[in-house]
Amino acid sequence: EVQLLESGGGLVQPGGSMKLSCAASGFTFNNYAMSWVRLPPGRGLEWVSSINAYGKTTYYADSVKGRFTISRDNSKNIIYLQMASLRDGDTAIYYCTKDKSPGAFDVWGPGTRVAVSS
Amino acid sequence: DIQLTQSPSILSASVGDRVTITCRASQDILSLLAWYQQKPPQAPRLLIYSGSFLQTGVPPRFSGSQSGTDFTLSISSLQPEDSAIYYCQILDNNPFKYLFGQGTRLQI
Repeated sequence: EVQLLESGGGLVQPGGSMKLSCAASGFTFNNYAMSWVRLPPGRGLEWVSSINAYGKTTYYADSVKGRFTISRDNSKNIIYLQMASLRDGDTAIYYCTKDKSPGAFDVWGPGTRVAVSS
Repeated sequence: DIQLTQSPSILSASVGDRVTITCRASQDILSLLAWYQQKPPQAPRLLIYSGSFLQTGVPPRFSGSQSGTDFTLSISSLQPEDSAIYYCQILDNNPFKYLFGQGTRLQI
């Protein structure tokens, strides 16, 4: 069964850092690009970042560029999202997704909550 | 940058009805549009990709179509379990980013 499972969320103070992980199973991980998508409270879905299958090319939403870093370890079937300089607006449920070419997300993890608050 | 406008924001319907949700792109996006269903607190679920292709396991009462830069999600023979929030989503390659529509809350 194809599965994604996020971990690492929690409460963090403004200006702090946090690292999310997403463990993948049930598919050939190094064949697929992966992404992070978030759902802020009371708002709609927002794409955060993507990384290609080899981990050499990364993309970021303008709202997180320079603060967030996406990476992957194809030997462990894990992707990461290192978040720094966190703001109230980063509070959201963060979902890990498997990319379905072209241009869709066909597998989603259950999500991990990140709350930025003092 | 491409703008994506989804409507309506709220939709009320009855069991057995047929409904449509629309997303309008501000530029030609070929057919790179997907539709998702989310039943909070669950994660979103892919319904339609590349404008009109049904994702494996999705009931055929869901369908997608395109007319120019207007994309439509249709749901026929509404079931109670179709109550959810529906999102459209595109890939903009210039510069690279994914965009989601504002969402449509469907109340059965």
